[in-house]
Amino acid sequence: AQTVTQSQPEMSVQEAETVTLSCTYDTSESNYYLFWYKQPPSRQMILVIRQEAYKQQNATENRFSVNFQKAAKSFSLKISDSQLGDTAMYFCAFMKNGANSKLTFGKGITLSVRP
Amino acid sequence: GEEVAQTPKHLVRGEGQKAKLYCAPIKGHSYVFWYQQVLKNEFKFLISFQNENVFDETGMPKERFSAKCLPNSPCSLEIQATKLEDSAVYFCASSQRGTAGAAFFGQGTRLTVV
Repeated sequence: AQTVTQSQPEMSVQEAETVTLSCTYDTSESNYYLFWYKQPPSRQMILVIRQEAYKQQNATENRFSVNFQKAAKSFSLKISDSQLGDTAMYFCAFMKNGANSKLTFGKGITLSVRP
Repeated sequence: GEEVAQTPKHLVRGEGQKAKLYCAPIKGHSYVFWYQQVLKNEFKFLISFQNENVFDETGMPKERFSAKCLPNSPCSLEIQATKLEDSAVYFCASSQRGTAGAAFFGQGTRLTVV
């Protein structure tokens, strides 16, 4: 079974600064996908970024980037130039490769961006 | 449609009553997933479908929970004889492929059992 660990329950960052959210996972699979989802107070789950395990290059989406360390089973999210709208819960998730695979989520981290 | 539509947004049931939640996946998506998010924000996988077929139901409390995805109808999640611990937000997600395709979530149904 897969596990996803987000050890920091909450973080705070000043607007315009950079923050990194940590995530580690455990799996015996060699082919899988990792995701970061954002859940604002509206509770809508928004896909922020996705990483395929077979790709060595770290995924980037505008101000969001990941540091994927496959050997260490680490998948951190870096948010650059933080904005007030980034205030939300962030969930790290794992999905093994295979038809119809489910997501395994971490417990989430609450990020607050201070004006 | 272009988004996962869940109804109702809020549902209040007395303990022991039945609750039924609906989900219309994105058009063209073959895979549907149900997740339960409890008050501590933790997500629990319940069940997944490939078209109308149950694919993985390892998370379902089978004695009271059931789910269906029938052709040309919204998918449904039904809870018979609700308990206080069933209070949660229930999310439906759909994907075009079960692997590389990331899941797109609906806005959830908040079930409150009183």
